[in-house]
Amino acid sequence: GQSLEQPSEVTAVEGAIVQINCTYQTSGFYGLSWYQQHDGGAPTFLSYNGLDGLEETGRFSSFLSRSDSYGYLLLQELQMKDSASYFCAVSYSSASKIIFGSGTRLSIRP
Amino acid sequence: EPEVTQTPSHQVTQMGQEVILRCVPISNHLYFYWYRQILGQKVEFLVSFYNNEISEKSEIFDDQFSVERPDGSNFTLKIRSTKLEDSAMYFCASSQGNSGNTIYFGEGSWLTVV
Repeated sequence: GQSLEQPSEVTAVEGAIVQINCTYQTSGFYGLSWYQQHDGGAPTFLSYNGLDGLEETGRFSSFLSRSDSYGYLLLQELQMKDSASYFCAVSYSSASKIIFGSGTRLSIRP
Repeated sequence: EPEVTQTPSHQVTQMGQEVILRCVPISNHLYFYWYRQILGQKVEFLVSFYNNEISEKSEIFDDQFSVERPDGSNFTLKIRSTKLEDSAMYFCASSQGNSGNTIYFGEGSWLTVV
């Protein structure tokens, strides 16, 4: 079977740093992606890790450890507009299937 | 910037009726997907489509669902006999199918079954 686990909710303060973890159990793993979804909107791509290590894109970074079946999304210099749901998603060896986790709702406090 | 477009944005239908949701994927993309999101829940994979045939489908995608690419641009999801529990946001998405596997979502079609 396949499963992805991430925390359901995280709260952080504006300007701070927050890390959202994701663990997965699946066969045929190819890579781990992160998507952001604001209320009422569509998921939008943030970051992808195909190899172990850290990928940095502006204020957002993502990390993958294949041996630990674990990844995280790191958001720095949090802004109020970062309040959204964040989904990790597993890609398989073909592009034909990308499975999303249950999502982490991030709330930012002033 | 190219985008995935979906119509209608919102549809209300009576239980038992057929519904067709339409999508225009990004033009140079090779893989097309339908996902479903029940209000407040996760984004659930329904089906992927590649080279004019279904590539993968989930257990949700049963016999009441079908997909079609009737011409060179449109990609449709048909629900034959809608049930109350089919009420959800349906997202179409597409990707180039490269190693990044980045998929681009449309804005969704909100289906309400009454």
